[in-house]
Amino acid sequence: DAKTTQPPSMDCAEGRAANLPCNHSTISGNEYVYWYRQIHSQGPQYIIHGLKNNETNEMASLIITEDRKSSTLILPHATLRDTAVYYCIVRPRDTGNQFYFGTGTSLTVIP
Amino acid sequence: GAVVSQHPSRVICKSGTSVKIECRSLDFQATTMFWYRQFPKQSLMLMATSNEGSKATYEQGVEKDKFLINHASLTLSTLTVTSAHPEDSSFYICSARAFPAGWSEAFFGQGTRLTVV
Repeated sequence: DAKTTQPPSMDCAEGRAANLPCNHSTISGNEYVYWYRQIHSQGPQYIIHGLKNNETNEMASLIITEDRKSSTLILPHATLRDTAVYYCIVRPRDTGNQFYFGTGTSLTVIP
Repeated sequence: GAVVSQHPSRVICKSGTSVKIECRSLDFQATTMFWYRQFPKQSLMLMATSNEGSKATYEQGVEKDKFLINHASLTLSTLTVTSAHPEDSSFYICSARAFPAGWSEAFFGQGTRLTVV
């Protein structure tokens, strides 16, 4: 019940920006877009979330289209440590609803 | 972000025995904790949701008598895999949401690698 579509894998050169797309065409008005990543054999790490405005923090930027049907996570200067599986999740914000994970995008940062 | 700690990080047990995994929120109170299972090269699968002081809610297909969940306090939840079998070998991950719900994101533990031999 992931409600999102992501490419299964992507490569990015070290030092370049990594742009990870996510389609969520059935997103509801009260649902936020969350991004997590999972480095091999670790628990997922929260990256960023947003509703409709673009968001930026120390890790990444989140660009959400005006119709909210898709978004892009941007890692401005990818490093080898950013190699991970990136998950895009949509869910309402202030509820006890669970985070359901889709298959994500496996990002490989190449030296 | 907040810290969620799991213990142990790795455990090997014999088939037929039970194993307990602890999940602690170290610097916040967690009204709700979630337990996930992840098989190799697959995504995380939600097993159950536990709210402090009440019974856990299990996802369809997850045996509640096999995977016992206790959420006795706002900082601790435990998952007990009873009568473990080799097919239960997996990566188990917990996550927690803060109380009050000022944070909407959930924070995840580092995971527990269970191997049943």
